[in-house]
Amino acid sequence: NAGVMQNPRHLVRRRGQEARLRCSPVKGHSHVYWYRQLPEEGLKFMVYLQKENIIDESGMPKERFSAEFPKEGPSILRIQQVVRGDSAAYFCASSPGQGGNIQYFGAGTRLSVL
Amino acid sequence: QQPVQSPQAVILREGEDAVINCSSSKALYSVHWYRQKHGEAPVFLMILLKGGEQKGHEKISASFNEKKQQSSLYLTASQLSYSGTYFCGTESRGTYKYIFGTGTRLKVLA
Repeated sequence: NAGVMQNPRHLVRRRGQEARLRCSPVKGHSHVYWYRQLPEEGLKFMVYLQKENIIDESGMPKERFSAEFPKEGPSILRIQQVVRGDSAAYFCASSPGQGGNIQYFGAGTRLSVL
Repeated sequence: QQPVQSPQAVILREGEDAVINCSSSKALYSVHWYRQKHGEAPVFLMILLKGGEQKGHEKISASFNEKKQQSSLYLTASQLSYSGTYFCGTESRGTYKYIFGTGTRLKVLA
């Protein structure tokens, strides 16, 4: 019974490169959430997706960041032209539905921008 | 607005009790509590859905006062394994997303 799987666990990019973070939710979960966590800080909501739909992206920076959750395959968080300030841990969580459902977290991807 | 947690940090000796509070400026539909150890993913502890409801998990329990838009997490007879950062995640009706609190760092000493 696999939990939320994120890969890669660690990602190093140079400024200006692209970062692609993948998240496979718990089997049967159709709701995916992405969060960003800076060192010694809390979890900041970025985006909430259901299969093929972005439900709420109010926490996503307007530029360079995008997310998708296709019908088949994992959810992808894409960061274009990374800058040093993008260095953080990015966590994905999934839940079986809306409203009052437990979110299960993946182990996170730690992005370091050189 | 991010829920405010208090205290920001607490140090306990094994066997001591602690209370962590979470206060929101918005009307809440549910409150979720998580514990995160350094470098790891947040781990779900419990969810509270109704006003005044109290839930328990081993020696950890929580209450949710919907009217006051507050929740409290109670840790009794703390163990070394309780060390970590505790976050409340609040969900407002109709939003289906969590806003996580500021976090409380808890350290239990032998």
